[in-house]
Amino acid sequence: DTEVTQTPKHLVMGMTNKKSLKCEQHMGHRAMYWYKQKAKKPPELMFVYSYEKLSINESVPSRFSPECPNSSLLNLHLHALQPEDSALYLCASSQAAGKVKNIQYFGAGTRLSVL
Amino acid sequence: KQEVTQIPAALSVPEGENLVLNCSFTDSAIYNLQWFRQDPGKGLTSLLLIQSSQREQTSGRLNASLDKSSGRSTLYIAASQPGDSATYLCAVKEGSNYKLTFGKGTLLTVNP
Repeated sequence: DTEVTQTPKHLVMGMTNKKSLKCEQHMGHRAMYWYKQKAKKPPELMFVYSYEKLSINESVPSRFSPECPNSSLLNLHLHALQPEDSALYLCASSQAAGKVKNIQYFGAGTRLSVL
Repeated sequence: KQEVTQIPAALSVPEGENLVLNCSFTDSAIYNLQWFRQDPGKGLTSLLLIQSSQREQTSGRLNASLDKSSGRSTLYIAASQPGDSATYLCAVKEGSNYKLTFGKGTLLTVNP
């Protein structure tokens, strides 16, 4: 099973709302990622968790707050977002860094619209 | 800073044609290179991963090659089918850390 599951598939929120994106994998991967992708652009890395600890934060605004409750789950908490934050948010997972075949497996994404 | 370029940006071919997608990168000190496929509005599907010590990888009708010294990779698709229509992205990993640097992708359309 190489599946990464993201919920919800679509989300519409106002600028004052608080919402969360969820991601789950059961491949035993110890690294999990959040990416943001705008239309016709490649994915941009936001955060990486390694062994449930935040390993990389690509200078993401604090209105995005990641959380890794356990090795299978990754959340992205959203608060006071701006319309320009509307995008496809992708979760990925992989074996830990340094592994030879460090393939990243992606979920189908959450399409976020901020009104 | 690593930069990844994919040419062409878009490609339209008739069904059955063999085709080549190109990826170039500026810093040859890469750990591996990965090719992905993305259908509209969907996530990325990993197609092939080539380690820096390898020259090519094959999966079914797909063959990816890597020439580290010249900073190039190609993805060869044999006997293309309409179901191959998608955006193809290449991404390089530098060092054993987690970060991938993506190209902007090639939008492939295979016409029946």
